[in-house]
Amino acid sequence: EVQLVQSGAEVRKPGESLKISCKGYGYNFTTHWIGWVRQMPGKGLEWMGITYPGDAETKYNSAFQGQVTIAADKSTSTAYLQWSSLKASDTAVYYCVRGYYYLEVWGKGTTVTVSS
Amino acid sequence: DIQMTQSPSTVSASVGDRVTITCRASQSISDWLAWYQHKPGKAPNVLIYRASTLESGVPSRFSGSGSGTQFTLTISSLQPEDFATYFCQQYNTFSWTFGQGTKVEI
Repeated sequence: EVQLVQSGAEVRKPGESLKISCKGYGYNFTTHWIGWVRQMPGKGLEWMGITYPGDAETKYNSAFQGQVTIAADKSTSTAYLQWSSLKASDTAVYYCVRGYYYLEVWGKGTTVTVSS
Repeated sequence: DIQMTQSPSTVSASVGDRVTITCRASQSISDWLAWYQHKPGKAPNVLIYRASTLESGVPSRFSGSGSGTQFTLTISSLQPEDFATYFCQQYNTFSWTFGQGTKVEI
């Protein structure tokens, strides 16, 4: 069964760093784009960016460029979303997704809470 | 970015009802539109892509139509397991954008 398994909920303080993960199962991780979608509390979904594990090509929504880092480790079939300095406004659920156009597979989401 | 306006935000319906959800794009997206279902605590799943192509394994009571700027998701006969939130996504123009979602409730 194809699935994306995301890491657990995180609580951090503003200014701290964070890396959340998403491991792919049941398919060739190297040959499918994988990305991230944000849902802030009470808000709609926002596509953040995607990476191709095969060659590390990465594309960002301009709204997230420079704010986060998206990467993948093909040796462990794991994608990552990373922040170097969190803000309270980063509080959201983050979904890992597979697909370049429409999103064929979704993870269950990782809740990130940033609060002092 | 292309704005996706979804309506209604909530639908109150009963088992067996026909339910229609609409998504409107701020500019033409041809047929580059997908529909998803999301139940609380679960991963969302794709129902329809390319506006009207049913994803493998999705029941035939779900159907999609439209092109250009106006799109529709129809559930022909609502089943108990269909109570969920539905949202659309355009993938015509980078960056992809989503509708705000429609909650189908009893």
